[in-house]
Amino acid sequence: DIVMTQSPDSLAVSLGERATINCKSSQSVLYNFNNKNYLAWYQRKPGQPPKLLISWASTREWGVPDRFTGSGSGTDFTLTISSLQAEDVAVYYCQQYYSTPLTFGGGTKVEIK
Amino acid sequence: QLLLRESGPGLVKPSETLSLTCTVSGGSINSANDHWAWVRLPPGKGPEWIGSVFYSGSTYHNPSLRSRVSLSADTSKNQISLSLTSVTAADTAVYYCVRHTWGSYYSRSALEFWGQGTRVTVSS
Repeated sequence: DIVMTQSPDSLAVSLGERATINCKSSQSVLYNFNNKNYLAWYQRKPGQPPKLLISWASTREWGVPDRFTGSGSGTDFTLTISSLQAEDVAVYYCQQYYSTPLTFGGGTKVEIK
Repeated sequence: QLLLRESGPGLVKPSETLSLTCTVSGGSINSANDHWAWVRLPPGKGPEWIGSVFYSGSTYHNPSLRSRVSLSADTSKNQISLSLTSVTAADTAVYYCVRHTWGSYYSRSALEFWGQGTRVTVSS
């Protein structure tokens, strides 16, 4: 199984400031033949299901604000919220879809400082 | 608009079988590319993929649960179902039905579309 490790477990950021979440996979999720990273980021707000924010490590889904940026390749990935808004308070998860079993990170809780 | 609605008992006794159904509306489960997953979110933990099913009935599961999990698809009802046997308190979670694609490396996707989820508690 590919183990996904997120850090930190939680972070508090002032409104308008940058939030950075890290995700590390125990093996590469980059498929060399198409040069794609099979890595997704999800946002989960209380009482709601997880929402897909970013796929292929850096491709924002339709309607996702451009303050959300995914980066990284291979085994190390980052989700950056460039200017934190109140509506961004949530738990964020990374997930690999390179191989089964599909696996998730443990989550990072983002709060307002 | 695609809508996934999970349903089932909110409370299950230990050692019994949990049975959940996901009813799909606004789309058909027998789309050539769509696979239907069950993902659960235990309290205080990260999500766990349980397994996925294709409309033809082919399935693939998380090995950690494999011996207890059964997935099926009913195209006449546009539903997918999950059965989890011998439940314990560790199976307490919110269970989600999710659409994604799967196959070769050129036809895989993230977990694109989620139902609202149904909360299941295992307790006597």
